[in-house]
Amino acid sequence: DQQVKQNSPSLSVQEGRISILNCDYTNSMFDYFLWYKKYPAEGPTFLISISSIKDKNEDGRFTVFLNKSAKHLSLHIVPSQPGDSAVYFCAASDTGTASKLTFGTGTRLQVTL
Amino acid sequence: DTGVSQDPRHKITKRGQNVTFRCDPISEHNRLYWYRQTLGQGPEFLTYFQNEAQLEKSRLLSDRFSAERPKGSFSTLEIQRTEQGDSAMYLCASSPGTGSVANYGYTFGSGTRLTVV
Repeated sequence: DQQVKQNSPSLSVQEGRISILNCDYTNSMFDYFLWYKKYPAEGPTFLISISSIKDKNEDGRFTVFLNKSAKHLSLHIVPSQPGDSAVYFCAASDTGTASKLTFGTGTRLQVTL
Repeated sequence: DTGVSQDPRHKITKRGQNVTFRCDPISEHNRLYWYRQTLGQGPEFLTYFQNEAQLEKSRLLSDRFSAERPKGSFSTLEIQRTEQGDSAMYLCASSPGTGSVANYGYTFGSGTRLTVV
């Protein structure tokens, strides 16, 4: 039962353009959502999070949007840079098990010159 | 502070052997987590410690798996009688003992890649 889904396994974007990574979830108990970035041979690195009481959170070039009614969130990276090339994971938690994260399968982003 | 450290980075073992991995969290972090990641999948939760107490275990953690965190510092994950299906990346993470994980996420180590042949 995949409760967090990232349906696009890969995405290629030109440098300077916007990258949009999508994530869907099925568990209505999830109330916190996080994005992680992972380079090869390294552990995932926390990027940005959003609470379910918000619909947008911004940190520099990274913005996360949450559509709770659609159970959908997205990560926007503007402008995209070659160093953003990595695998991006969406993760979710609920306050009942606040320390456990449920991850999606990841989207590999390649930013081309 | 060197972050979360995991040892070894790679482990190749024969089916049926026992293996043990070690994780050293960030020193001031009270919470420690183990996750497993297989090819093409995201990390899957295995277990979680608050100081030395193991507070939650996933049903993925069969009887062959055991985790400890003596004295609330480093942690070990042991797999007994390894099977080929145990081949995966085993990730350790830590976080402060207060506040929501959503505010800061976890800090992950680089993982231990286990190959069972």
